[in-house]
Amino acid sequence: GAVVSQHPSRVICKSGTSVKIECRSLDFQATTMFWYRQFPKKSLMLMATSNEGSKATYEQGVEKDKFLINHASLTLSTLTVTSAHPEDSSFYICSARDLGSSGADTQYFGPGTRLTVL
Amino acid sequence: SQKIEQNSEALNIQEGKTATLTCNYTNYSPAYLQWYRQDPGRGPVFLLLIRENEKEKRKERLKVTFDTTLKQSLFHITASQPADSATYLCALGRNAGNMLTFGGGTRLMVKP
Repeated sequence: GAVVSQHPSRVICKSGTSVKIECRSLDFQATTMFWYRQFPKKSLMLMATSNEGSKATYEQGVEKDKFLINHASLTLSTLTVTSAHPEDSSFYICSARDLGSSGADTQYFGPGTRLTVL
Repeated sequence: SQKIEQNSEALNIQEGKTATLTCNYTNYSPAYLQWYRQDPGRGPVFLLLIRENEKEKRKERLKVTFDTTLKQSLFHITASQPADSATYLCALGRNAGNMLTFGGGTRLMVKP
């Protein structure tokens, strides 16, 4: 099956620093990847859609200058949290879309990255 | 506005019984519906997809129904095991290229 990896799995940083999270599709090419944020006991909140070779599409209320997304290849998307603050502490999850032959949008998720900003 | 509702309260059942989880939606006409499993501190794992023209889908101990008239999907786990304990998310999609919209998830606890 489709495998998506994320790195790092956990990161602790000081307020004001930037953190980069990588998302890779290991056994398929993903022209589209998604970045979600999840608070404890809450559902996934879509932050942005990352398209290979073009600018990301951000959801309403998500600051694109704070959450920089780069999708430079068909297997890698990165999310950089710039000038992180404690309120950015959360569980960040990426997914890669596999349209398959039927066209249905099945998303395969990475294991997530726990970000803690001190 | 679009709304996807899953029971936010945890579902507690005894091992061996059938667990049934509900996903209701309003103001939405999905082309397909998916169920995912999420364990604490982990990303969701895809389980099943069912299309709007399908009434039922099965995979091993899992069964999903999709009633577009009631705007509801039911997710069943038969012969439940403690290892089935997790949060289950439903997600709706319209057609190729469109994003999935996730429900809030229901936590299932299977007691031995």
